Amino acid sequence: DVKVTQSSRYLVKRTGEKVFLECVQDMDHENMFWYRQDPGLGLRLIYFSYDVKMKEKGDIPEGYSVSREKKERFSLILESASTNQTSMYLCASKLAGLSTDTQYFGPGTRLTVL
Amino acid sequence: AQSVTQPDIHITVSEGASLELRCNYSYGATPYLFWYVQSPGQGLQLLLKYFSGDTLVQGIKGFEAEFKRSQSSFNLRKPSVHWSDAAEYFCAVEANFGNEKLTFGTGTRLTIIP
Repeated sequence: DVKVTQSSRYLVKRTGEKVFLECVQDMDHENMFWYRQDPGLGLRLIYFSYDVKMKEKGDIPEGYSVSREKKERFSLILESASTNQTSMYLCASKLAGLSTDTQYFGPGTRLTVL
Repeated sequence: AQSVTQPDIHITVSEGASLELRCNYSYGATPYLFWYVQSPGQGLQLLLKYFSGDTLVQGIKGFEAEFKRSQSSFNLRKPSVHWSDAAEYFCAVEANFGNEKLTFGTGTRLTIIP
């Protein structure tokens, strides 16, 4: 069974803190994605990666960075957390080059920045 | 760039009644189309997908969707809803040249009443 895990289900941080959100997949997928989900806005793509050490900006990359040192792990970094980054963060992975496959999602991390 | 519209923010349906959730997309060609469901506190689960061929697609949990090119629509249907169908539903599109990126609608929250 496909599995995408995220390091925390709930996280509370203070403004200005550096925050790491970790995502691990066990399916040997090349592509990994980070989204944020906000009420009334749906899911918006922050960054994605199509290979180790490769990354590409999504629709809302401002205030975020990512790291992909190993194929199975994709980290989202908030260099200096702000209250407007309070949100649900979802990670996903997908097998590359097989367009008929879909993205598989983790359970999400609900981040609150105080 | 592709876009997705889900015009209904919230729908309430009686248990046992039929359901139709609307989705309209904007894209220059026929995209790949998806419906995902998110139960409270959970990640996204794929219900069904359309890539080509038969325009009526069957998915899990008794859901189906019909692709109508002339209306740029991909509406989700279920003949008889169950209380466990209460969730948020997202329509998504992917450009068919395989850029691997999904664009999501803003979601429709489904409430089931006894």
